[in-house]
Amino acid sequence: NAGVTQTPKFQVLKTGQSMTLQCAQDMNHEYMSWYRQDPGMGLRLIHYSVGAGITDQGEVPNGYNVSRSTTEDFPLRLLSAAPSQTSVYFCASSGLRGQERTNEKLFFGSGTQLSVL
Amino acid sequence: AQSVTQPDIHITVSEGASLELRCNYSYGATPYLFWYVQSPGQGLQLLLKYFSGDTLVQGIKGFEAEFKRSQSSFNLRKPSVHWSDAAEYFCAVGVGGYQKVTFGIGTKLQVIP
Repeated sequence: NAGVTQTPKFQVLKTGQSMTLQCAQDMNHEYMSWYRQDPGMGLRLIHYSVGAGITDQGEVPNGYNVSRSTTEDFPLRLLSAAPSQTSVYFCASSGLRGQERTNEKLFFGSGTQLSVL
Repeated sequence: AQSVTQPDIHITVSEGASLELRCNYSYGATPYLFWYVQSPGQGLQLLLKYFSGDTLVQGIKGFEAEFKRSQSSFNLRKPSVHWSDAAEYFCAVGVGGYQKVTFGIGTKLQVIP
C-alpha cells in the first residue's frame, strides 16, 4: 500500500496564480482532510471530507477550495495564490468504509512545500 | 470549540535523561487525545492515543502518556531519551466520529550527547 500520496512535493507560485495540490489514498478511508503547517502555529485544519460528495470547512478555509468526487482523491485548489499561503500542506485520511466510525489515527502524506512570491 | 496548549516550544534534554512534554486541552466532554511525532521533512506519525479506559496509555518507541481529567492534561513521557527521539511533538484533540482534530503548536525536542 502506498498510503497517502501528495503531489507535488515542492511548488513555487507567483501571486495570483492558481494551482491544485493533489492527494490520493489507497486505504479505502472515508475521512480525508487538509492541514497547513506554519512555524509557531502547529497544524491548522483547512477543509475536510467525510465521504465522496461531502466536504466542510475547517479553521482556515479562506482562499482554498476542495471537492471529493471519489473516495480516493481529495484535491486542494488555490484559485488566486497569495504570499500568506506560503506554507507546508499536509493531507491526512482515516476511517475505513463500512466499519463503525471511531477516532482512528490520522494517516499523513509527506507534505507539499508551497512558496508564493 | 476544542483547543490544545503545549506550553513548551523548545525542550533540550541529555541522551539517557527522562522526558516529559506537557499538553493541556480544553473541551466540554471527554476528548479523544493523541500525540504525534514529526521528524524533519516528514509527515506526522501517531505515537499513542487515548479514547477511554486506563488513563495511562502506552505507545510506540517507548513513549507513554497519562490522561488527567482533573488537570485537563495529557502529558507525554519517556524514561530514557535516545538521540533518535529528536523531533517535533504535537498533542492533538479529536471531537466526534469525524476526526475533526485540533493540533497544538508543537514542542521541538533537542537531544544532546
